Amino acid sequence: QKEVEQNSGPLSVPEGAIASLNCTYSDRGSQSFFWYRQYSGKSPELIMFIYSNGDKEDGRFTAQLNKASQYVSLLIRDSQPSDSATYLCAVARGTGNQFYFGTGTSLTVIP
Amino acid sequence: TAGITQAPTSQILAAGRSMTLRCTQDMRHNAMYWYRQDLGLGLRLIHYSNTAGTTGKGEVPDGYSVSRANTDDFPLTLASAVPSQTSVYFCASSEQGWTEAFFGQGTRLTVV
Repeated sequence: QKEVEQNSGPLSVPEGAIASLNCTYSDRGSQSFFWYRQYSGKSPELIMFIYSNGDKEDGRFTAQLNKASQYVSLLIRDSQPSDSATYLCAVARGTGNQFYFGTGTSLTVIP
Repeated sequence: TAGITQAPTSQILAAGRSMTLRCTQDMRHNAMYWYRQDLGLGLRLIHYSNTAGTTGKGEVPDGYSVSRANTDDFPLTLASAVPSQTSVYFCASSEQGWTEAFFGQGTRLTVV
């Protein structure tokens, strides 16, 4: 079983819509959860992190964490063409300090 | 601000040759990581270091070695390159192992 699983997509949404990205993880001891955005040919850049159950909002982005279900999601409101990228979910274990990434979900926002 | 610098940006390497990918950070982060990224497989952890002087194996460590002599530098060495090591390699660092990681620009390595 992979540490972090994501639907690879591709996911297409019209401009202005809400994009919903999902991620599950296998280690119940995982401590920290992250969403990264990666444009083609570029390195991953951090969008959000979340440590506690519930929602965390930052501008158009909302991260949601449910530790009981081992589930993390990212909502992008008012999606823009510039949001078109691959979104990577990452999980850090509490011990060993290892960061694991999902394979990423490709998002296309259609003008 | 430099952040994390990787060198070289790209390299073509003959199979059987050795090579060291360099990674330097100026953020005084404790933890550092090496990943490889392959199409369809995502980012896979090769080796990590929690602090200077310590290293650990990730998901795909075979064929790679690392050292962490000081806080800033975390080189990755391929002792005898094979074509399956053709990939994009990313170095990353985080203040602590559970905090957000920041990435270098990547090294595109082709082994022929």
